[in-house]
Amino acid sequence: DAGITQSPRHKVTETGTPVTLRCHQTENHRYMYWYRQDPGHGLRLIHYSYGVKDTDKGEVSDGYSVSRSKTEDFLLTLESATSSQTSVYFCAISEAGTALHGYTFGSGTRLTVV
Amino acid sequence: GQQVMQIPQYQHVQEGEDFTTYCNSSTTLSNIQWYKQRPGGHPVFLIQLVKSGEVKKQKRLTFQFGEAKKNSSLHITATQTTDVGTYFCAKHGSGNTGKLIFGQGTTLQVKP
Repeated sequence: DAGITQSPRHKVTETGTPVTLRCHQTENHRYMYWYRQDPGHGLRLIHYSYGVKDTDKGEVSDGYSVSRSKTEDFLLTLESATSSQTSVYFCAISEAGTALHGYTFGSGTRLTVV
Repeated sequence: GQQVMQIPQYQHVQEGEDFTTYCNSSTTLSNIQWYKQRPGGHPVFLIQLVKSGEVKKQKRLTFQFGEAKKNSSLHITATQTTDVGTYFCAKHGSGNTGKLIFGQGTTLQVKP
């Protein structure tokens, strides 16, 4: 969707290497989220941010860290990639934390750890 | 717990047949959202339901929120090949952080 981009779109990396995925938005939304999608598991929340330098863990945060130094950028880092982190990663943004807004998702990053 | 259960996991229909997916929660929901993901694509927000017993329509899609606000359904009338994809329901987690907890999704295949 316009206003949110993820990079890279595809990446192959070796086990044990650090990897950083980037999510960039031009909507000035306060809330940003990282999800991973795996067959049979739907979308699972890794980390989220409710403002610059304000982040918190989701349900599957082990092995991941995030940073948000600017409103527009939310970075997801795999500190030491493992094969279990092979997945499709989606970033999403939301205008508000209250109940009335849907997410806008990025196009995703397909990560393969070999 | 915090999960939402979605059934069925897969559904194959002949074009023109109807389709329904169900979303169930063990706890009362403040609201429920629905998303569609086309094959190879990303989830796209469809709608949000807030009120008990609420029914909303988008062309051939009908969304319902249960009276007890513990379940929801998405019904597609006379499916078309463009309806192919995975449909997710999602509920808000605790706190005003906007984080969503997604169901596992129902993948719809439509045979022309």
